[in-house]
Amino acid sequence: SAVISQKPSRDICQRGTSLTIQCQVDSQVTMMFWYRQQPGQSLTLIATANQGSEATYESGFVIDKFPISRPNLTFSTLTVSNMSPEDSSIYLCSAAASPDTEAFFGQGTRLTVV
Amino acid sequence: AQTVTQSQPEMSVQEAETVTLSCTYDTSESDYYLFWYKQPPSRQMILVIRQEAYKQQNATENRFSVNFQKAAKSFSLKISDSQLGDAAMYFCAYRSLAATNKLIFGTGTLLAVQP
Repeated sequence: SAVISQKPSRDICQRGTSLTIQCQVDSQVTMMFWYRQQPGQSLTLIATANQGSEATYESGFVIDKFPISRPNLTFSTLTVSNMSPEDSSIYLCSAAASPDTEAFFGQGTRLTVV
Repeated sequence: AQTVTQSQPEMSVQEAETVTLSCTYDTSESDYYLFWYKQPPSRQMILVIRQEAYKQQNATENRFSVNFQKAAKSFSLKISDSQLGDAAMYFCAYRSLAATNKLIFGTGTLLAVQP
């Protein structure tokens, strides 16, 4: 199974600022995803990070708010832009070696916006 | 669109006893995957067990087993010989074969294990 490292593990940010979360996988993977887990809630998919092209966003999420990069097969970033307290959540990176294999998760980034 | 429902926000079990967590889902697809993930306080999502919809045999992984009822769209998780380390949030998840690893999660069940 792949090992996924996320940085930072937690942060407290001022409203109006932006935070970039990094996701590093220890092996090449086909699929990378970003999820949001609001306090006490389930996980909701933000977008699929596509290598070499624009990310595919789910309904309710837009590129201007959550720009995503994926420069290669092992790394992706998620930026939470112009943050408000409603963005306080855990953000999780997920990856899978191929479409038919299980997805693994990073340990998440706990973001608090004040 | 597919949905996943977990009707038990919290459950409790005595150490060494057995507990069953419920999950139902809604889909019009005939082929898909179902998963149970465990999320301890560390936040790390850990895959517990996986079931392919085309398989009639229920998946098992050591102390963890599922009761997959495809017609009823039910996918419950049984934990046998519960251990303190099983205490966590458990999420049921659905994955369409066409959706290439996009997971749809239920709302979770918080399991407490009493010593």
